[in-house]
Amino acid sequence: AQTVTQSQPEMSVQEAETVTLSCTYDTSESDYYLFWYKQPPSRQMILVIRQEAYKQQNATENRFSVNFQKAAKSFSLKISDSQLGDAAMYFCALSNFGNEKLTFGTGTRLTIIP
Amino acid sequence: DTGVSQDPRHKITKRGQNVTFRCDPISEHNRLYWYRQTLGQGPEFLTYFQNEAQLEKSRLLSDRFSAERPKGSFSTLEIQRTEQGDSAMYLCASSSPDGSDYNEQFFGPGTRLTVL
Repeated sequence: AQTVTQSQPEMSVQEAETVTLSCTYDTSESDYYLFWYKQPPSRQMILVIRQEAYKQQNATENRFSVNFQKAAKSFSLKISDSQLGDAAMYFCALSNFGNEKLTFGTGTRLTIIP
Repeated sequence: DTGVSQDPRHKITKRGQNVTFRCDPISEHNRLYWYRQTLGQGPEFLTYFQNEAQLEKSRLLSDRFSAERPKGSFSTLEIQRTEQGDSAMYLCASSSPDGSDYNEQFFGPGTRLTVL
Protein backbone atom coordinates (compact mmCIF):
# COMPACT_ATOMS: atom_id res chain seq x y z
CA ALA A 1 0.00 0.00 0.00
CA GLN A 2 1.17 3.50 -0.69
CA THR A 3 1.14 6.26 1.89
CA VAL A 4 1.55 10.01 1.95
CA THR A 5 2.58 11.82 5.12
CA GLN A 6 2.32 15.52 5.86
CA SER A 7 3.82 16.24 9.27
CA GLN A 8 2.84 19.91 9.47
CA PRO A 9 -0.86 20.25 10.36
CA GLU A 10 -0.59 24.04 10.30
CA MET A 11 1.80 26.61 8.93
CA SER A 12 1.73 30.38 8.79
CA VAL A 13 3.72 32.89 6.78
CA GLN A 14 3.90 36.63 6.50
CA GLU A 15 2.49 38.05 3.29
CA ALA A 16 5.19 38.37 0.58
CA GLU A 17 7.46 35.90 2.37
CA THR A 18 8.36 32.34 1.35
CA VAL A 19 7.04 29.18 2.96
CA THR A 20 7.83 25.50 2.44
CA LEU A 21 5.36 22.70 3.06
CA SER A 22 6.74 19.19 3.63
CA CYS A 23 5.57 15.84 2.33
CA THR A 24 7.00 12.35 2.42
CA TYR A 25 5.59 9.32 0.69
CA ASP A 26 6.04 5.62 0.25
CA THR A 27 5.31 3.52 -2.79
CA SER A 28 6.69 0.32 -4.26
CA GLU A 29 6.10 1.57 -7.79
CA SER A 30 8.89 3.00 -9.90
CA ASP A 31 6.65 5.16 -12.09
CA TYR A 32 4.34 7.54 -10.32
CA TYR A 33 3.18 11.12 -10.06
CA LEU A 34 3.20 13.51 -7.14
CA PHE A 35 0.87 16.46 -6.69
CA TRP A 36 0.08 19.39 -4.50
CA TYR A 37 -3.60 20.30 -4.31
CA LYS A 38 -5.07 23.44 -2.77
CA GLN A 39 -8.45 23.40 -1.03
CA PRO A 40 -9.60 26.94 -0.10
CA PRO A 41 -12.26 27.24 2.60
CA SER A 42 -15.65 26.09 1.26
CA ARG A 43 -14.29 25.85 -2.26
CA GLN A 44 -13.29 22.99 -4.46
CA MET A 45 -9.90 21.40 -4.63
CA ILE A 46 -7.62 22.55 -7.42
CA LEU A 47 -4.32 21.24 -8.70
CA VAL A 48 -1.36 23.47 -7.88
CA ILE A 49 1.56 21.55 -9.32
CA ARG A 50 2.49 18.10 -10.58
CA GLN A 51 5.77 16.18 -10.71
CA GLU A 52 6.51 13.08 -12.75
CA ALA A 53 8.80 10.74 -10.82
CA TYR A 54 10.91 9.97 -13.88
CA LYS A 55 11.80 13.64 -14.31
CA GLN A 56 14.81 14.87 -12.40
CA GLN A 57 13.99 18.51 -12.93
CA ASN A 58 11.79 20.02 -10.25
CA ALA A 59 8.44 21.34 -11.44
CA THR A 60 7.69 25.05 -11.26
CA GLU A 61 4.45 26.95 -11.74
CA ASN A 62 4.84 30.70 -11.29
CA ARG A 63 5.30 31.27 -7.52
CA PHE A 64 5.01 27.57 -6.74
CA SER A 65 7.92 25.15 -6.99
CA VAL A 66 8.74 21.73 -5.62
CA ASN A 67 11.82 20.05 -4.23
CA PHE A 68 11.56 16.43 -5.31
CA GLN A 69 14.04 14.06 -3.67
CA LYS A 70 13.24 10.64 -5.11
CA ALA A 71 15.72 8.62 -3.07
CA ALA A 72 14.47 10.20 0.14
CA LYS A 73 10.85 9.98 -1.03
CA SER A 74 10.39 13.61 -0.19
CA PHE A 75 8.28 16.17 -2.07
CA SER A 76 8.07 19.64 -0.61
CA LEU A 77 6.20 22.67 -1.94
CA LYS A 78 7.71 26.15 -1.86
CA ILE A 79 5.44 29.15 -2.18
CA SER A 80 7.27 32.38 -2.93
CA ASP A 81 5.90 35.89 -2.43
CA SER A 82 2.95 34.54 -0.43
CA GLN A 83 -0.38 36.21 -1.08
CA LEU A 84 -3.58 36.36 0.94
CA GLY A 85 -5.26 34.19 -1.66
CA ASP A 86 -2.81 31.38 -0.92
CA ALA A 87 -4.55 30.70 2.40
CA ALA A 88 -5.97 27.19 2.16
CA MET A 89 -5.51 23.54 3.04
CA TYR A 90 -2.72 22.04 0.96
CA PHE A 91 -2.72 18.34 0.24
CA CYS A 92 0.15 16.29 -1.08
CA ALA A 93 -0.99 13.36 -3.22
CA LEU A 94 0.40 10.41 -5.14
CA SER A 95 -0.83 8.30 -8.04
CA ASN A 96 0.79 5.41 -9.84
CA PHE A 97 1.46 5.46 -13.53
CA GLY A 98 -1.48 3.93 -15.34
CA ASN A 99 -3.85 4.28 -12.37
CA GLU A 100 -5.08 7.77 -11.71
CA LYS A 101 -6.65 7.25 -8.29
CA LEU A 102 -5.07 9.62 -5.82
CA THR A 103 -3.68 8.86 -2.36
CA PHE A 104 -3.70 12.00 -0.24
CA GLY A 105 -1.88 13.13 2.87
CA THR A 106 -3.71 14.65 5.82
CA GLY A 107 -3.09 18.21 4.70
CA THR A 108 -1.40 21.36 5.93
CA ARG A 109 -3.47 24.40 6.76
CA LEU A 110 -1.64 27.51 5.53
CA THR A 111 -2.42 30.89 7.05
CA ILE A 112 -1.17 34.10 5.48
CA ILE A 113 -0.48 36.91 7.92
CA PRO A 114 -1.11 40.38 6.42
CA ASP B 1 -18.75 24.51 -19.08
CA THR B 2 -19.12 25.19 -15.35
CA GLY B 3 -17.00 22.34 -14.07
CA VAL B 4 -17.94 19.38 -11.91
CA SER B 5 -21.17 19.87 -10.00
CA GLN B 6 -22.54 17.95 -7.04
CA ASP B 7 -25.98 17.88 -5.53
CA PRO B 8 -26.95 18.38 -2.80
CA ARG B 9 -24.19 20.47 -1.24
CA HIS B 10 -25.34 19.58 2.26
CA LYS B 11 -27.40 16.68 3.57
CA ILE B 12 -28.50 16.05 7.13
CA THR B 13 -30.10 12.71 7.83
CA LYS B 14 -30.97 10.46 10.71
CA ARG B 15 -29.13 7.25 11.37
CA GLY B 16 -30.64 4.38 9.44
CA GLN B 17 -31.95 6.47 6.56
CA ASN B 18 -30.83 6.09 2.96
CA VAL B 19 -29.22 8.98 1.08
CA THR B 20 -28.26 9.51 -2.55
CA PHE B 21 -25.81 12.01 -3.95
CA ARG B 22 -25.39 13.08 -7.55
CA CYS B 23 -22.31 14.14 -9.47
CA ASP B 24 -22.30 15.74 -12.91
CA PRO B 25 -18.82 15.64 -14.44
CA ILE B 26 -17.37 18.04 -16.96
CA SER B 27 -18.92 17.37 -20.35
CA GLU B 28 -17.23 14.59 -22.29
CA HIS B 29 -15.08 13.54 -19.34
CA ASN B 30 -15.27 9.78 -19.46
CA ARG B 31 -13.63 9.10 -16.11
CA LEU B 32 -15.34 9.79 -12.81
CA TYR B 33 -14.07 9.30 -9.26
CA TRP B 34 -15.64 9.37 -5.81
CA TYR B 35 -13.62 10.23 -2.71
CA ARG B 36 -14.58 10.62 0.93
CA GLN B 37 -13.01 13.24 3.19
CA THR B 38 -13.53 13.11 6.94
CA LEU B 39 -12.68 15.97 9.27
CA GLY B 40 -8.96 16.51 9.58
CA GLN B 41 -8.10 13.98 6.91
CA GLY B 42 -7.27 14.03 3.25
CA PRO B 43 -9.69 12.60 0.69
CA GLU B 44 -9.78 8.79 0.41
CA PHE B 45 -10.54 7.01 -2.83
CA LEU B 46 -13.86 5.17 -2.95
CA THR B 47 -14.52 4.14 -6.55
CA TYR B 48 -13.82 4.95 -10.19
CA PHE B 49 -15.78 4.75 -13.45
CA GLN B 50 -14.66 4.80 -17.03
CA ASN B 51 -17.77 5.61 -19.01
CA GLU B 52 -20.49 3.45 -17.42
CA ALA B 53 -18.14 0.73 -16.19
CA GLN B 54 -17.15 0.70 -12.53
CA LEU B 55 -13.51 -0.33 -12.76
CA GLU B 56 -12.29 -0.16 -9.18
CA LYS B 57 -13.78 -0.11 -5.70
CA SER B 58 -11.98 0.59 -2.45
CA ARG B 59 -12.37 -1.64 0.58
CA LEU B 60 -13.83 1.49 2.19
CA LEU B 61 -16.90 0.99 0.02
CA SER B 62 -18.91 -1.34 2.23
CA ASP B 63 -22.00 -3.24 1.13
CA ARG B 64 -24.12 -0.28 2.23
CA PHE B 65 -22.55 1.88 -0.47
CA SER B 66 -23.40 1.64 -4.13
CA ALA B 67 -22.35 3.83 -7.02
CA GLU B 68 -23.70 3.94 -10.53
CA ARG B 69 -23.06 5.76 -13.75
CA PRO B 70 -25.83 4.40 -15.94
CA LYS B 71 -25.27 6.34 -19.16
CA GLY B 72 -21.66 7.24 -18.72
CA SER B 73 -22.51 10.81 -17.81
CA PHE B 74 -23.70 11.68 -14.29
CA SER B 75 -23.10 9.37 -11.36
CA THR B 76 -24.95 8.63 -8.15
CA LEU B 77 -23.61 7.42 -4.83
CA GLU B 78 -26.14 5.83 -2.48
CA ILE B 79 -25.58 5.02 1.16
CA GLN B 80 -28.10 2.68 2.74
CA ARG B 81 -28.81 2.50 6.47
CA THR B 82 -26.55 5.44 7.23
CA GLU B 83 -24.35 5.36 10.33
CA GLN B 84 -22.78 8.24 12.22
CA GLY B 85 -19.40 7.17 10.87
CA ASP B 86 -20.63 7.98 7.37
CA SER B 87 -20.57 11.68 8.22
CA ALA B 88 -18.04 13.18 5.82
CA MET B 89 -17.55 15.28 2.70
CA TYR B 90 -18.12 13.20 -0.44
CA LEU B 91 -16.08 14.51 -3.35
CA CYS B 92 -16.49 13.76 -7.02
CA ALA B 93 -13.84 14.31 -9.67
CA SER B 94 -13.69 13.77 -13.42
CA SER B 95 -10.98 13.51 -16.04
CA SER B 96 -10.61 12.86 -19.73
CA PRO B 97 -7.76 11.26 -21.63
CA ASP B 98 -6.02 13.84 -23.77
CA GLY B 99 -3.20 11.72 -25.11
CA SER B 100 -0.76 12.63 -22.37
CA ASP B 101 0.44 10.15 -19.80
CA TYR B 102 -1.59 11.72 -17.00
CA ASN B 103 -5.06 13.20 -17.02
CA GLU B 104 -5.81 15.84 -14.42
CA GLN B 105 -8.72 15.24 -12.12
CA PHE B 106 -11.10 18.18 -11.69
CA PHE B 107 -12.96 18.18 -8.41
CA GLY B 108 -16.48 19.21 -7.56
CA PRO B 109 -17.43 21.22 -4.45
CA GLY B 110 -18.48 18.12 -2.54
CA THR B 111 -21.56 16.99 -0.64
CA ARG B 112 -21.29 17.32 3.12
CA LEU B 113 -23.21 14.55 4.87
CA THR B 114 -24.16 14.76 8.54
CA VAL B 115 -25.71 11.70 10.12
CA LEU B 116 -27.47 12.40 13.42
